[in-house]
Amino acid sequence: DIVMTQSPDSLAVSLGERATINCKSSQSLLSSSNNKNYLIWYQQKPGQPPMMLISGASTRESGVPERFSGSGSGTDFTLTISSLQAEDVAVYYCQQYYGNPLTFGGGTKVEIK
Amino acid sequence: EVQLVESGGALVQPGGSLRLSCAASGFTFSTYWMSWMRQAPGKGLEWVANIKEDGSEKYHVDSVRGRFTISRDNAKNSLYLQMNSLRAEDTAVYYCARGFSGNRWGQGTLVTVSS
Repeated sequence: DIVMTQSPDSLAVSLGERATINCKSSQSLLSSSNNKNYLIWYQQKPGQPPMMLISGASTRESGVPERFSGSGSGTDFTLTISSLQAEDVAVYYCQQYYGNPLTFGGGTKVEIK
Repeated sequence: EVQLVESGGALVQPGGSLRLSCAASGFTFSTYWMSWMRQAPGKGLEWVANIKEDGSEKYHVDSVRGRFTISRDNAKNSLYLQMNSLRAEDTAVYYCARGFSGNRWGQGTLVTVSS
């Protein structure tokens, strides 16, 4: 099974500042056949289901604000919120979909400092 | 608009059974893999099972294999999860999700396993 390790577990950032979340996989998520990284970032607000922000490690979903960006390849990935807004308070998860069993990182809780 | 509505969650005793359902709308159900995910209270996310568009391939996480079965009815735009021999550790909100990876999720249904 592919193990996904997120860091940090929690993060407190001032409004308007940058938030950076890291995700590391135990094996490469990069497909040699199509040069695609099979990694998703989700945002989950309290009492709500997860919402996909980014797929393919760096492709933002329609409607997701531009302040959210994903980067990385292979085994190391990053979600960046360039200017934290109050509505971004949530838990963020990475997930690999390279193959079954699909696996998630443990989550990173983002709060306002 | 994509909609996924789960139902069937309940309080059940250890060793009991439940069948979860998910009604899908707003997309062509028969052309998507579908998945079940779960989240124990206060915990992270866990993939449970997924099923190919035509139902010919099904996969389950090790912890539920042999106890849970995913299925679908494309004529009814519905996804199911038959849950047998339930354990306390199966207590969670169960989410129906579109796609192999789960790119859209429903609101979830709560399953509580307790005596």
